[in-house]
Amino acid sequence: EKVMTQSPATLSVSPGERATLSCRASQSVSSNLAWYQQKPGQAPRLLIYGASTRATGIPARFSGSGSGTEFTLTISSLQSDDFAVYYCQQYNNWPLTFGQGTKVEIK
Amino acid sequence: EVQLVESGGGLVQPGGSLRLSCAASGFTFGSNAMTWVRQAPGKGLEWVSTINGRGGNTYYADSVQGRFTISRDDSKTTLYLQMNSLRAEDTAVYYCAKDQSLHWFDPWGQGTLVTVSS
Repeated sequence: EKVMTQSPATLSVSPGERATLSCRASQSVSSNLAWYQQKPGQAPRLLIYGASTRATGIPARFSGSGSGTEFTLTISSLQSDDFAVYYCQQYNNWPLTFGQGTKVEIK
Repeated sequence: EVQLVESGGGLVQPGGSLRLSCAASGFTFGSNAMTWVRQAPGKGLEWVSTINGRGGNTYYADSVQGRFTISRDDSKTTLYLQMNSLRAEDTAVYYCAKDQSLHWFDPWGQGTLVTVSS
């Protein structure tokens, strides 16, 4: 099983600042990585797939990068709507696995 | 517009059974893989099971293998999750999701809560 480790667990950021979230795979997952955003009481929403391709309707301030074992989600200028929990997910191998999440909170 | 609506959650005793449903609309259901993901209270996301399109292959997390069965009725555009021998650790919100070509998920349903408790 490929273990996905996200860091930090919590990120405190002021509105307008940049946020950088990390996701590390225990073994290479190539570029088969997705990012999701989840707000309290809501279902997750797909942000990024293929490590760097934005899903339909996702603002350009969200960007993904990386391949192999190291991945990054960057939010270029945080808006109030972006404070949420973010999860990475690998789909390179079964079982599909998620990271434990990074909570982005208001500083 | 793609819509996924889960139902069937509720309170069940340990060792009991429950069947979840996910009614889908807005896309060609039969040709699409579908997935269940769960989230225990206050915890992260856990992939549970996936079924390929046209009633193809099924995949399960080790934690539910042998107890849960994923299935689909393409004529009713509905996905199911039959859950047997339920345990307290199965307590979670269960989401169904449209599985994209290589198994990322978009969109997700609103979820249905399963509580396993005596």
